[in-house]
Amino acid sequence: AQSVSQHNHHVILSEAASLELGCNYSYGGTVNLFWYVQYPGQHLQLLLKYFSGDPLVKGIKGFEAEFIKSKFSFNLRKPSVQWSDTAEYFCAVLTGGGNKLTFGTGTQLKVEL
Amino acid sequence: GAVVSQHPSWVICKSGTSVKIECRSLDFQATTMFWYRQFPKQSLMLMATSNEGSKATYEQGVEKDKFLINHASLTLSTLTVTSAHPEDSSFYICSARDSGRPIGNEQYFGPGTRLTVT
Repeated sequence: AQSVSQHNHHVILSEAASLELGCNYSYGGTVNLFWYVQYPGQHLQLLLKYFSGDPLVKGIKGFEAEFIKSKFSFNLRKPSVQWSDTAEYFCAVLTGGGNKLTFGTGTQLKVEL
Repeated sequence: GAVVSQHPSWVICKSGTSVKIECRSLDFQATTMFWYRQFPKQSLMLMATSNEGSKATYEQGVEKDKFLINHASLTLSTLTVTSAHPEDSSFYICSARDSGRPIGNEQYFGPGTRLTVT
């Protein structure tokens, strides 16, 4: 069965620091990859997604992620974080003919002023 | 656009009773909706895929007789937790995929329902 690993469970950064959150998946077939964000008290929102083409995808709020097929990775990056980026971030992989979305365990990001 | 609502947002019920949670796509049609469960400090776990007009598809280990799913219209899916027990206490989240967009596209998530069984 497919699985998604997020290595950083809690990350604390100062404003303007750079961010990279790791995501690895185990699935041998074609995958669609997502990063979702959950701000405190809010529902999950899509940050960005990769289906095909350019492996470097750009999302909302200055986030980007790079799909490296050989490493089964889809790491999330942001050059300079803001206090408002404090949230929980989930990596997810879509398989099963486009139906089954498997989530990682999430990374809690706290950005300090 | 692409808003999914859930009702109620939180519910407390007594052990042995049943609770129904509604999931609605407000501005799009969804032939497929999904129900997830999220435990504290853990990830979302897919419970079942709800298909409009047909039976739901349950993930391994999820009791279909305990978690009844009905998807009677293109904008509404319901999850009924039957004979609830304290271990069913959790955060239940639904999502929906826009039928007008290609398969594999993003799912839109509802705000979740906090269920507490006493």
